[in-house]
Amino acid sequence: KNQVEQSPQSLIILEGKNCTLQCNYTVSPFSNLRWYKQDTGRGPVSLTIMTFSENTKSNGRYTATLDADTKQSSLHITASQLSDSASYICVVSAVDSSYKLIFGSGTRLLVRP
Amino acid sequence: GAVVSQHPSRVICKSGTSVKIECRSLDFQATTMFWYRQFPKQSLMLMATSNEGSKATYEQGVEKDKFLINHASLTLSTLTVTSAHPEDSSFYICSALRVAGGLDREQFFGPGTRLTVL
Repeated sequence: KNQVEQSPQSLIILEGKNCTLQCNYTVSPFSNLRWYKQDTGRGPVSLTIMTFSENTKSNGRYTATLDADTKQSSLHITASQLSDSASYICVVSAVDSSYKLIFGSGTRLLVRP
Repeated sequence: GAVVSQHPSRVICKSGTSVKIECRSLDFQATTMFWYRQFPKQSLMLMATSNEGSKATYEQGVEKDKFLINHASLTLSTLTVTSAHPEDSSFYICSALRVAGGLDREQFFGPGTRLTVL
């Protein structure tokens, strides 16, 4: 069964600190993995997208890694800001014709001053 | 990035009424759009796949007669919640699939619509 699991479920950090969010998946055949940021009451916004051959991808203070062998990904946030408070969702797509996405349950991040 | 809009952003209605939500891809054509529902502190749940010019494909457990989907053009899909009840109160999000060629395809999400049924 195609699944995406994220940890931790929630996280509280102080402004300026770094943090790492984890994502494990059992999607096959794998097409790509995305990390989204979702602010409360808003739609998800894409941060990074990685295919099978990519190990790391950065977008400003966000750096995503992918280990296709162990089927793990991480999202590292550097020098956190209050505006980073949001849910971060790991989403994996399989190689098929449906274009459906498999969503993780998300990590709720709260950055405190 | 591509832009997808939703209208309205929030709606409050009485139980038993119908509510229509629009999803538009503003700068690209989308033959495929998706409708999701999200309950508090949960992730997005796919309700249905909307295909331009044909019937929508509904996920298991989603009532097609209650959630009517129309994808009449390449830039517009609508979701109508018929005879809404309080349990239909939720955050509804659409996405539009942009196919740039080959295997390059990506879903772009709208900002969501908050539905509250009294």
